Amino acid sequence: AQTVTQSQPEMSVQEAETVTLSCTYDTSESDYYLFWYKQPPSRQMILVIRQEAYKQQNATENRFSVNFQKAAKSFSLKISDSQLGDAAMYFCAYRSALWSGGGADGLTFGKGTHLIIQP
Amino acid sequence: EAQVTQNPRYLITVTGKKLTVTCSQNMNHEYMSWYRQDPGLGLRQIYYSMNVEVTDKGDVPEGYKVSRKEKRNFPLILESPSPNQTSLYFCASSLWGSQPQHFGDGTRLSIL
Repeated sequence: AQTVTQSQPEMSVQEAETVTLSCTYDTSESDYYLFWYKQPPSRQMILVIRQEAYKQQNATENRFSVNFQKAAKSFSLKISDSQLGDAAMYFCAYRSALWSGGGADGLTFGKGTHLIIQP
Repeated sequence: EAQVTQNPRYLITVTGKKLTVTCSQNMNHEYMSWYRQDPGLGLRQIYYSMNVEVTDKGDVPEGYKVSRKEKRNFPLILESPSPNQTSLYFCASSLWGSQPQHFGDGTRLSIL
């Protein structure tokens, strides 16, 4: 079974600065997807960014980018020019690309990192 | 507007009283799933469905039932709720299992 580890329960950053959230995962598969989800106080789960394992190029969405290191099984999220609205829980998630048809078959989540933005 | 709708948003009930949390999506998605979120544990999958009449267990299925009689609906049933099922529940859907999942707004269940 796959596992996802977020080693930083909480991070704090000054507004307008850059912060990097860590995520590592364990899998024996070669084809999979990785995601970062944001959960603000409203509790909604919002997709931030998605990375396909077969793509070497790191995904980018505006101020959000990832550093995907497949060999190291690392998938960190960098937030540039941090804004107050970025304050939230951030979850890293893994999804196999195989259509297993049985057993757990969804997103495997890390335990989350609580990001605090200091004004 | 594309969305996943869960009801109720909040529920406080007592042990043993059967309850159903409804989930409906309007995106014609094949794949639907239920998760529970507990402090310090992240989200864990309860059940999922790849299509109508096809459901399967996730990581934590004990004490829950689901059904998928129509593509758009995927209710979560707690036949005899217990306090350890107090949690925040999310329904999610996607076009296929590997596509990004769209989440509902969550249902906060408290079982006394």
